[in-house]
Amino acid sequence: DGGITQSPKYLFRKEGQNVTLSCEQNLNHDAMYWYRQDPGQGLRLIYYSQIVNDFQKGDIAEGYSVSREKKESFPLTVTSAQKNPTAFYLCASSPDRGTGNTIYFGEGSWLTVV
Amino acid sequence: AQSVAQPEDQVNVAEGNPLTVKCTYSVSGNPYLFWYVQYPNRGLQFLLKYITGDNLVKGSYGFEAEFNKSQTSFHLKKPSALVSDSALYFCAVRANTGGFKTIFGAGTRLFVKA
Repeated sequence: DGGITQSPKYLFRKEGQNVTLSCEQNLNHDAMYWYRQDPGQGLRLIYYSQIVNDFQKGDIAEGYSVSREKKESFPLTVTSAQKNPTAFYLCASSPDRGTGNTIYFGEGSWLTVV
Repeated sequence: AQSVAQPEDQVNVAEGNPLTVKCTYSVSGNPYLFWYVQYPNRGLQFLLKYITGDNLVKGSYGFEAEFNKSQTSFHLKKPSALVSDSALYFCAVRANTGGFKTIFGAGTRLFVKA
Protein backbone atom coordinates (compact mmCIF):
# COMPACT_ATOMS: atom_id res chain seq x y z
CA ASP A 1 0.00 0.00 0.00
CA GLY A 2 1.17 3.53 -0.72
CA GLY A 3 1.73 5.75 2.24
CA ILE A 4 3.99 7.48 4.69
CA THR A 5 5.76 5.45 7.36
CA GLN A 6 7.11 7.04 10.50
CA SER A 7 9.25 5.27 13.05
CA PRO A 8 9.52 4.78 15.90
CA LYS A 9 6.02 5.45 17.18
CA TYR A 10 7.35 6.22 20.67
CA LEU A 11 10.80 7.52 21.52
CA PHE A 12 12.33 8.63 24.77
CA ARG A 13 15.23 11.05 24.88
CA LYS A 14 17.55 11.78 27.71
CA GLU A 15 18.74 15.28 28.36
CA GLY A 16 21.59 16.21 26.03
CA GLN A 17 20.89 13.48 23.53
CA ASN A 18 20.21 13.79 19.82
CA VAL A 19 17.51 11.53 18.42
CA THR A 20 16.39 10.88 14.85
CA LEU A 21 12.84 10.27 13.66
CA SER A 22 12.48 8.34 10.45
CA CYS A 23 10.03 9.19 7.64
CA GLU A 24 9.68 7.18 4.44
CA GLN A 25 7.11 7.62 1.67
CA ASN A 26 6.36 5.46 -1.35
CA LEU A 27 3.92 7.90 -2.97
CA ASN A 28 6.54 9.31 -5.33
CA HIS A 29 5.90 12.75 -3.85
CA ASP A 30 8.41 15.53 -4.41
CA ALA A 31 7.62 17.59 -1.33
CA MET A 32 8.02 16.43 2.25
CA TYR A 33 7.37 18.17 5.55
CA TRP A 34 7.88 17.85 9.29
CA TYR A 35 5.33 19.31 11.70
CA ARG A 36 5.24 19.49 15.44
CA GLN A 37 1.93 19.17 17.30
CA ASP A 38 1.44 20.46 20.83
CA PRO A 39 -1.94 20.42 22.59
CA GLY A 40 -4.09 23.42 21.69
CA GLN A 41 -1.57 24.84 19.24
CA GLY A 42 -2.37 23.07 16.02
CA LEU A 43 0.51 22.11 13.76
CA ARG A 44 3.70 24.08 13.37
CA LEU A 45 6.07 23.59 10.45
CA ILE A 46 9.62 22.61 11.33
CA TYR A 47 11.25 21.95 7.95
CA TYR A 48 10.16 21.21 4.41
CA SER A 49 11.83 19.91 1.28
CA GLN A 50 10.70 20.39 -2.28
CA ILE A 51 13.34 18.27 -3.93
CA VAL A 52 16.20 15.93 -3.14
CA ASN A 53 19.22 17.60 -1.57
CA ASP A 54 17.27 20.75 -0.79
CA PHE A 55 15.29 21.78 2.28
CA GLN A 56 14.05 24.95 3.92
CA LYS A 57 13.42 26.05 7.49
CA GLY A 58 9.86 26.36 8.66
CA ASP A 59 8.54 28.41 11.56
CA ILE A 60 10.24 26.52 14.40
CA ALA A 61 13.45 25.05 12.94
CA GLU A 62 15.74 25.91 15.86
CA GLY A 63 17.04 22.78 17.56
CA TYR A 64 16.13 20.53 14.62
CA SER A 65 17.95 19.30 11.53
CA VAL A 66 16.94 17.32 8.46
CA SER A 67 18.40 15.72 5.35
CA ARG A 68 16.92 14.75 2.00
CA GLU A 69 19.36 12.42 0.32
CA LYS A 70 16.66 10.31 -1.29
CA LYS A 71 13.27 11.27 -2.67
CA GLU A 72 11.45 8.85 -0.41
CA SER A 73 13.22 9.67 2.85
CA PHE A 74 13.19 12.77 5.07
CA PRO A 75 14.59 12.05 8.56
CA LEU A 76 14.33 14.59 11.36
CA THR A 77 16.97 14.92 14.05
CA VAL A 78 15.98 16.53 17.31
CA THR A 79 19.17 17.92 18.77
CA SER A 80 20.10 18.74 22.34
CA ALA A 81 19.65 22.40 21.43
CA GLN A 82 15.88 21.88 21.33
CA LYS A 83 14.95 22.74 24.90
CA ASN A 84 11.38 21.52 24.90
CA PRO A 85 11.21 18.59 22.48
CA THR A 86 8.38 16.64 24.07
CA ALA A 87 5.66 16.61 21.40
CA PHE A 88 3.93 14.64 18.69
CA TYR A 89 5.84 14.83 15.40
CA LEU A 90 4.13 14.43 12.06
CA CYS A 91 5.78 13.78 8.74
CA ALA A 92 3.86 14.63 5.59
CA SER A 93 4.23 14.74 1.85
CA SER A 94 2.55 16.19 -1.23
CA PRO A 95 3.09 15.73 -4.97
CA ASP A 96 4.80 19.13 -4.95
CA ARG A 97 4.20 22.46 -3.23
CA GLY A 98 1.63 23.52 -5.76
CA THR A 99 -1.32 25.41 -4.43
CA GLY A 100 -4.01 22.79 -4.88
CA ASN A 101 -2.06 19.79 -3.78
CA THR A 102 -3.18 17.90 -0.73
CA ILE A 103 -0.71 17.21 2.05
CA TYR A 104 -0.83 13.63 3.32
CA PHE A 105 0.34 12.65 6.78
CA GLY A 106 2.05 9.74 8.44
CA GLU A 107 0.82 8.25 11.71
CA GLY A 108 3.11 10.36 13.86
CA SER A 109 5.85 9.80 16.43
CA TRP A 110 5.74 10.66 20.11
CA LEU A 111 8.95 12.03 21.57
CA THR A 112 9.28 12.32 25.32
CA VAL A 113 12.20 13.72 27.29
CA VAL A 114 13.07 11.68 30.38
CA ALA B 1 -0.56 37.78 7.04
CA GLN B 2 -2.13 34.42 6.44
CA SER B 3 -4.16 32.92 9.28
CA VAL B 4 -6.95 30.49 10.07
CA ALA B 5 -9.22 30.46 13.10
CA GLN B 6 -11.34 27.71 14.56
CA PRO B 7 -13.38 29.64 17.11
CA GLU B 8 -14.65 26.64 19.06
CA ASP B 9 -12.32 24.43 21.06
CA GLN B 10 -15.05 21.83 21.38
CA VAL B 11 -18.36 21.02 19.74
CA ASN B 12 -20.89 18.69 21.32
CA VAL B 13 -23.70 17.13 19.32
CA ALA B 14 -26.10 14.24 19.75
CA GLU B 15 -25.90 11.29 17.39
CA GLY B 16 -28.21 11.73 14.44
CA ASN B 17 -28.20 15.53 14.67
CA PRO B 18 -26.46 17.76 12.14
CA LEU B 19 -23.01 19.03 13.03
CA THR B 20 -21.05 22.11 12.10
CA VAL B 21 -17.40 22.82 12.82
CA LYS B 22 -16.48 26.41 12.08
CA CYS B 23 -13.45 27.82 10.29
CA THR B 24 -12.60 31.35 9.19
CA TYR B 25 -9.50 32.43 7.35
CA SER B 26 -7.46 35.40 6.25
CA VAL B 27 -5.19 35.31 3.21
CA SER B 28 -3.92 37.53 0.45
CA GLY B 29 -5.06 36.28 -2.90
CA ASN B 30 -7.22 33.26 -3.53
CA PRO B 31 -7.50 30.75 -0.69
CA TYR B 32 -7.13 27.03 -0.95
CA LEU B 33 -8.90 25.42 1.99
CA PHE B 34 -8.64 21.98 3.54
CA TRP B 35 -10.23 19.95 6.33
CA TYR B 36 -8.49 17.11 8.13
CA VAL B 37 -9.57 14.76 10.91
CA GLN B 38 -7.33 13.29 13.58
CA TYR B 39 -8.20 10.32 15.76
CA PRO B 40 -6.33 9.78 19.05
CA ASN B 41 -2.67 9.01 18.64
CA ARG B 42 -2.92 9.03 14.85
CA GLY B 43 -1.86 11.23 11.97
CA LEU B 44 -4.17 13.64 10.15
CA GLN B 45 -6.51 12.22 7.53
CA PHE B 46 -7.60 14.37 4.60
CA LEU B 47 -11.38 14.95 4.40
CA LEU B 48 -11.93 17.50 1.65
CA LYS B 49 -10.61 20.63 -0.01
CA TYR B 50 -11.79 23.71 -1.86
CA ILE B 51 -9.69 24.93 -4.74
CA THR B 52 -12.13 26.61 -7.10
CA GLY B 53 -15.59 26.15 -8.54
CA ASP B 54 -18.66 25.03 -6.62
CA ASN B 55 -18.78 26.55 -3.15
CA LEU B 56 -20.15 23.33 -1.65
CA VAL B 57 -17.49 20.65 -1.46
CA LYS B 58 -18.25 17.04 -0.63
CA GLY B 59 -15.68 14.83 1.01
CA SER B 60 -15.07 11.58 2.80
CA TYR B 61 -17.37 9.92 5.36
CA GLY B 62 -20.38 12.08 4.44
CA PHE B 63 -18.74 15.39 5.33
CA GLU B 64 -19.13 18.54 3.29
CA ALA B 65 -17.96 22.10 3.59
CA GLU B 66 -19.21 25.40 2.25
CA PHE B 67 -16.86 28.09 1.03
CA ASN B 68 -18.18 31.59 1.70
CA LYS B 69 -15.92 34.23 0.24
CA SER B 70 -17.76 37.25 1.66
CA GLN B 71 -17.59 35.83 5.19
CA THR B 72 -14.15 34.26 4.65
CA SER B 73 -15.43 31.02 6.09
CA PHE B 74 -15.17 27.35 5.30
CA HIS B 75 -17.40 25.52 7.79
CA LEU B 76 -17.42 21.73 7.94
CA LYS B 77 -20.83 20.07 8.07
CA LYS B 78 -22.50 16.71 8.23
CA PRO B 79 -26.26 16.13 8.10
CA SER B 80 -26.32 13.31 10.65
CA ALA B 81 -23.53 12.82 13.18
CA LEU B 82 -22.20 9.43 14.23
CA VAL B 83 -20.48 8.55 17.49
CA SER B 84 -17.51 7.47 15.37
CA ASP B 85 -17.17 11.05 14.10
CA SER B 86 -15.82 12.03 17.51
CA ALA B 87 -12.30 13.28 16.81
CA LEU B 88 -10.15 16.39 16.42
CA TYR B 89 -10.79 18.42 13.27
CA PHE B 90 -8.33 20.80 11.65
CA CYS B 91 -8.98 23.48 9.07
CA ALA B 92 -6.04 24.58 6.91
CA VAL B 93 -5.53 27.37 4.41
CA ARG B 94 -2.98 27.97 1.69
CA ALA B 95 -2.66 31.11 -0.41
CA ASN B 96 -1.40 31.24 -3.96
CA THR B 97 1.07 33.87 -2.89
CA GLY B 98 3.92 33.94 -0.42
CA GLY B 99 5.43 30.57 -1.18
CA PHE B 100 2.31 28.43 -0.88
CA LYS B 101 2.63 28.03 2.86
CA THR B 102 -0.09 25.97 4.55
CA ILE B 103 -1.41 27.23 7.87
CA PHE B 104 -3.37 24.95 10.21
CA GLY B 105 -5.94 26.01 12.76
CA ALA B 106 -5.66 24.99 16.40
CA GLY B 107 -8.24 22.28 15.98
CA THR B 108 -11.79 21.67 17.20
CA ARG B 109 -12.66 18.62 19.24
CA LEU B 110 -15.97 17.08 18.26
CA PHE B 111 -17.89 14.93 20.74
CA VAL B 112 -20.87 13.00 19.44
CA LYS B 113 -23.03 11.57 22.20
CA ALA B 114 -25.07 8.43 21.67
